[in-house]
Amino acid sequence: NAGVMQNPRHLVRRRGQEARLRCSPMKGHSHVYWYRQLPEEGLKFMVYLQKENIIDESGMPKERFSAEFPKEGPSILRIQQVVRGDSAAYFCASSPQGGDSPLHFGNGTRLTVT
Amino acid sequence: AQSVTQLDSHVSVSEGTPVLLRCNYSSSYSPSLFWYVQHPNKGLQLLLKYTSAATLVKGINGFEAEFKKSETSFHLTKPSAHMSDAAEYFCVVTSNFGNEKLTFGTGTRLTIIP
Repeated sequence: NAGVMQNPRHLVRRRGQEARLRCSPMKGHSHVYWYRQLPEEGLKFMVYLQKENIIDESGMPKERFSAEFPKEGPSILRIQQVVRGDSAAYFCASSPQGGDSPLHFGNGTRLTVT
Repeated sequence: AQSVTQLDSHVSVSEGTPVLLRCNYSSSYSPSLFWYVQHPNKGLQLLLKYTSAATLVKGINGFEAEFKKSETSFHLTKPSAHMSDAAEYFCVVTSNFGNEKLTFGTGTRLTIIP
């Protein structure tokens, strides 16, 4: 029973390029959360999605960042025109229900912008 | 508003000795509190969770935490450290019913000395 799968594990982009981070939730989980972890900081909430719906994107920058969770396929976090400050670890988590049901985290994608 | 402070960024203990990781929280409402563990290059794993039931919460791998409202604390303890406990530990608080409202501490890195 595979856990939350994130890929790639490491991603290097030059300033101005696009970064696409993928997350496949655990089987049977329809709630997906994205968090960002900057160096020496805790995780910060970015966006909460259910299938085909964005429920809460209050933690996501208004520009350059977008997220989707289509009916089929993984959830995608997309960062356009990356800047050095986007360098961070991005974690995806899933749960079978909303509310405060326990989250299952992926191993993260470490984005480095050069 | 809610916040969480992990009082030590690094803790080192000898194998077989007790572990104490300190966490203080601030919350406008009755909080739910969690401890997560992150092993190197891995996702976060839930250790334990407090949600206004018993104030002493037992988690996995021999860890436990005590909720003390008068001290606004939720310290994590373990009687005897094991080498496999070496990891980063995050204290997390939420006052709202929803994973998107989780507030993470900055983490405590636990090192075990053989």
